Amino acid sequence: NAGVTQTPKFQVLKTGQSMTLQCAQDMNHEYMSWYRQDPGMGLRLIHYSVGAGITDQGEVPNGYNVSRSTTEDFPLRLLSAAPSQTSVYFCASLRWGNTEAFFGQGTRLTVV
Amino acid sequence: AQSVSQHNHHVILSEAASLELGCNYSYGGTVNLFWYVQYPGQHLQLLLKYFSGDPLVKGIKGFEAEFIKSKFSFNLRKPSVQWSDTAEYFCAVNVNNQGGKLIFGQGTELSVKP
Repeated sequence: NAGVTQTPKFQVLKTGQSMTLQCAQDMNHEYMSWYRQDPGMGLRLIHYSVGAGITDQGEVPNGYNVSRSTTEDFPLRLLSAAPSQTSVYFCASLRWGNTEAFFGQGTRLTVV
Repeated sequence: AQSVSQHNHHVILSEAASLELGCNYSYGGTVNLFWYVQYPGQHLQLLLKYFSGDPLVKGIKGFEAEFIKSKFSFNLRKPSVQWSDTAEYFCAVNVNNQGGKLIFGQGTELSVKP
């Protein structure tokens, strides 16, 4: 099993550009989440989904959009990148009834 | 709002020293508790978890943690650290089995000197 796959691994954007971070899982997990990791702040929840077609906001949702059209995929969209969005982004998936999260390898995003 | 606090931001130990990392959470309801480890340049991996039952849980690589409900704490311990334990450690809480919604602490960076 590949587990949770994130692409790209690295990305540099200019302020105002848009992009989509991809996340796919092959474990048939119901739940998927996006986190950002910043020094001294741990991981903060951006958005999460409890199943296809259902998403909700986490702690820091502003500037990000998500959708969940299939169980496998949970892309994160930055509509207009800002330097404050420079961070490492992690996608995670979980199975119903088991709250152990499996994480992807991360995407390191720099906005200049 | 729920929160998780890790008291130590950076801990430096010599090999064979004992380790205890503190974690406190603010929510009074049903909680599931986790410790994750992130080795340099890698993603997070689960060290151990507590859902219910024995409050002393054992994880991988000789780590253990004790859930003390009255203190809202879930401290991580290891009797003798190794250089390979150098990593960042995160405590996390899931509240009321809200799938997909883990609240993390700020992280503790552990450096083990050989």
